[in-house]
Amino acid sequence: RKEVEQDPGPFNVPEGATVAFNCTYSNSASQSFFWYRQDCRKEPKLLMSVYSSGNEDGRFTAQLNRASQYISLLIRDSKLSDSATYLCVVNSYQKVTFGTGTKLQVIP
Amino acid sequence: DTGVSQNPRHKITKRGQNVTFRCDPISEHNRLYWYRQTLGQGPEFLTYFQNEAQLEKSRLLSDRFSAERPKGSFSTLEIQRTEQGDSAMYLCASSLALGFETQYFGPGTRLLVL
Repeated sequence: RKEVEQDPGPFNVPEGATVAFNCTYSNSASQSFFWYRQDCRKEPKLLMSVYSSGNEDGRFTAQLNRASQYISLLIRDSKLSDSATYLCVVNSYQKVTFGTGTKLQVIP
Repeated sequence: DTGVSQNPRHKITKRGQNVTFRCDPISEHNRLYWYRQTLGQGPEFLTYFQNEAQLEKSRLLSDRFSAERPKGSFSTLEIQRTEQGDSAMYLCASSLALGFETQYFGPGTRLLVL
């Protein structure tokens, strides 16, 4: 089993739709969790950290479920500019593991 | 610009040649990471430094790869006797080792081995 798994997609959604991605991780001792966004041929950029209590930043909501070992990202009211690959990142005792990413394409 | 910088941005080389990449982290960051990313994959961890100490190396880092961070500031990644399979984007990231460790990435060096 991979340490961090994501559905690669692509998720093709119309503008204004709500879309959710999940990411599962295998190490129950994992300590911190992030979502990064990566545009084509660019470097990853931090989208948001993920806290146990869940956190929201505008149209983006991240959740952590430690019991089931997954994190999620919800994007509401999708914009064309949200089209990108979304990378899940899991930190375990200074070891950082990226998922393979989920590709999102928002369609006009 | 106070972000992470990497040089060169692109490198084309012939198989068997040596290449060296440089990363300048955000100045107050004490951790520096190297990753490799190929098309359709997430970044794969190669190695990281805390200050000048190299604390962890991935099994992906064969003996042809070496990384240094001599003064705890910039870092270099050298690949000796390059192979076509080394073609990838090499990403550097830096962070402060405090609490939740957010990493900030540089623009990457895209390597093509012919």
